[in-house]
Amino acid sequence: QLQESGPGLVKPSETLSLTCSVSGGSINTFSWSWIRQTPGKGLEWIGYISHNGSTNYNPSLKSRVFISVDTSKNHVSLRVASVTAADTAVYHCARLVGYDVLSTFDSWGQGSQVIVSS
Amino acid sequence: DIVMTQSPLSLPVTPGEPASISCRSNQSLLHSNGFYFLDWYLQKPGQSPQLLIYLGSIRASGVPDRFSGSGSGTDFTLKISRVEAEDVGVYYCMQGLQTPPGFTFGPGTKVDVK
Repeated sequence: QLQESGPGLVKPSETLSLTCSVSGGSINTFSWSWIRQTPGKGLEWIGYISHNGSTNYNPSLKSRVFISVDTSKNHVSLRVASVTAADTAVYHCARLVGYDVLSTFDSWGQGSQVIVSS
Repeated sequence: DIVMTQSPLSLPVTPGEPASISCRSNQSLLHSNGFYFLDWYLQKPGQSPQLLIYLGSIRASGVPDRFSGSGSGTDFTLKISRVEAEDVGVYYCMQGLQTPPGFTFGPGTKVDVK
């Protein structure tokens, strides 16, 4: 099970920070991703961190995004710096799996609504 | 960039009748390992997306066999053999090839009961 949490309101130019709590399995053996959803742009992949710690980010967000794993807490974290109103969205964490290539999101959290506003 | 399109964007359905959704990409989704990296997800009202079909045609665990995926190259189809009331929601296709800009989703097809 995946459960996102974090502040629902962030001021423009500040850093958005979200946490995904992973339960029911070892966080070390899987890869984890963040995806956001807006009425206008639909579903947008943000990035992922693989089981070996390597990361891959959407080029459109790469300069502002950081994804990390805290194995002691079974958490996956997302930080998005210098936010604007365009970062207002529901943020989902998801497990990323694949036979030999990571390619599918087989489990999703319920999502965390984040509003960027002063 | 790989761009995904879907049609129709809205699909009124009658329970018990079949339904079909088309998904197209502007590049082939065939991976060098021989699989098509195309998934289908359903987002039911008030819920997060859930995986239905992966690698073009493989049903995810627990997905009823009334759902099937097919296609090749750039054209893919999700079929529901007999729609049930619980199938309403928004269906998304997604390419998993990870070529820039990474994973990309279609705009979604909203399925509701007539």
